[in-house]
Amino acid sequence: GAGVSQTPSNKVTEKGKYVELRCDPISGHTALYWYRQSLGQGPEFLIYFQGTGAADDSGLPNDRFFAVRPEGSVSTLKIQRTERGDSAVYLCASSLTWVGTGGYNEQFFGPGTRLTVL
Amino acid sequence: GDSVTQMEGPVTLSEEAFLTINCTYTATGYPSLFWYVQYPGEGLQLLLKATKADDKGSNKGFEATYRKETTSFHLEKGSVQVSDSAVYFCALSVSGGGNKLTFGTGTQLKVEL
Repeated sequence: GAGVSQTPSNKVTEKGKYVELRCDPISGHTALYWYRQSLGQGPEFLIYFQGTGAADDSGLPNDRFFAVRPEGSVSTLKIQRTERGDSAVYLCASSLTWVGTGGYNEQFFGPGTRLTVL
Repeated sequence: GDSVTQMEGPVTLSEEAFLTINCTYTATGYPSLFWYVQYPGEGLQLLLKATKADDKGSNKGFEATYRKETTSFHLEKGSVQVSDSAVYFCALSVSGGGNKLTFGTGTQLKVEL
């Protein structure tokens, strides 16, 4: 079946503009994660959804970043007043429901959206 | 907080050489440990995992053993191939943390003929 898809694959914007990045998870996956990968670094956690609600948004760097998942499937990461430091690859991953302590469901990653802020 | 430290790259090996990529971690709880791989032009893929101490994860000839006493999860392969050229990420997920992953900085492996 289809994997996680992300659109656009590339986004170039100017400093101060607003951007939206979209993630389509694997069908039936209730957990959805956003990560950010800067050049030469590993992915860093931003936010995690279980269904429609944000279960953990502790990784969002500031209030310019916001994410939604209104119907428990597609998610949109929104960045206001973009800054050059926001330039990175934004990764989305999805998995089956978290099974609790001691369990793990594999996260499947999308190809990412490369955001460049000029 | 939780963190993962892995050896810097790039690592360049000849085909059929032995590979070790070191990974150590610190965790606030009891972690599960992972190796992810990113092949050129592709997304992150789970390579192997171990969810408790002394477990050995293995896949595609790669192995890693969860060593709680040394807080390590080193990746090994006995004979690398050119097709193993990729970036390898060590990662952890702490129980009760919603399965969010904490990654190391990645190690680029180049295998030459």
